[in-house]
Amino acid sequence: AQTVTQSQPEMSVQEAETVTLSCTYDTSENNYYLFWYKQPPSRQMILVIRQEAYKQQNATENRFSVNFQKAAKSFSLKISDSQLGDTAMYFCAFMKRLVNSNYQLIWGAGTKLIIKP
Amino acid sequence: DGGITQSPKYLFRKEGQNVTLSCEQNLNHDAMYWYRQDPGQGLRLIYYSQIVNDFQKGDIAEGYSVSREKKESFPLTVTSAQKNPTAFYLCASSISGGDTQYFGPGTRLTVL
Repeated sequence: AQTVTQSQPEMSVQEAETVTLSCTYDTSENNYYLFWYKQPPSRQMILVIRQEAYKQQNATENRFSVNFQKAAKSFSLKISDSQLGDTAMYFCAFMKRLVNSNYQLIWGAGTKLIIKP
Repeated sequence: DGGITQSPKYLFRKEGQNVTLSCEQNLNHDAMYWYRQDPGQGLRLIYYSQIVNDFQKGDIAEGYSVSREKKESFPLTVTSAQKNPTAFYLCASSISGGDTQYFGPGTRLTVL
């Protein structure tokens, strides 16, 4: 079974600090996609970053970057210069291909990130 | 303004009633999805549709039904057969099945 594990239920850091959220996943596939989504108190699910497994280069989106370690099946998210607006639940997700050639996102349980002023 | 809309934002249901949650998108996306979110858990897939007039069961389809008669619309009906329907429901869409999914604002359903 393919699973996604986020081992940190909750984290808190001071504003302007750097924080890293961890995610590990289990799969026997070689080509796949990984995602980080954030869910602020409004509960709107927002895409943060996407990584294709065939790309060795780590994805970056402004203050957000990932450390993708394919062999270790690890996909951590680094947030630099954290801001109060980064306070949210962060979900890691793995996209798997189904036998009928459809696709499904498998989600971790989330990490609650609190940025303190 | 392109995007995904869900209505209503809050919905209350009496036990034994069926209710329908609306999801509409004007992004011209082929694929649409319904997820359920419970406290302390990740999202779980209820149903998905890769194309108009076709849909597939997800991991927790029991007690739910959907239709996909129009590309832009994917309503979800929570039937009385769903034993514990109180949850937050999220609709998403993507250009096609293997692409990035974008989400609507969600509907909070409470059974009284």
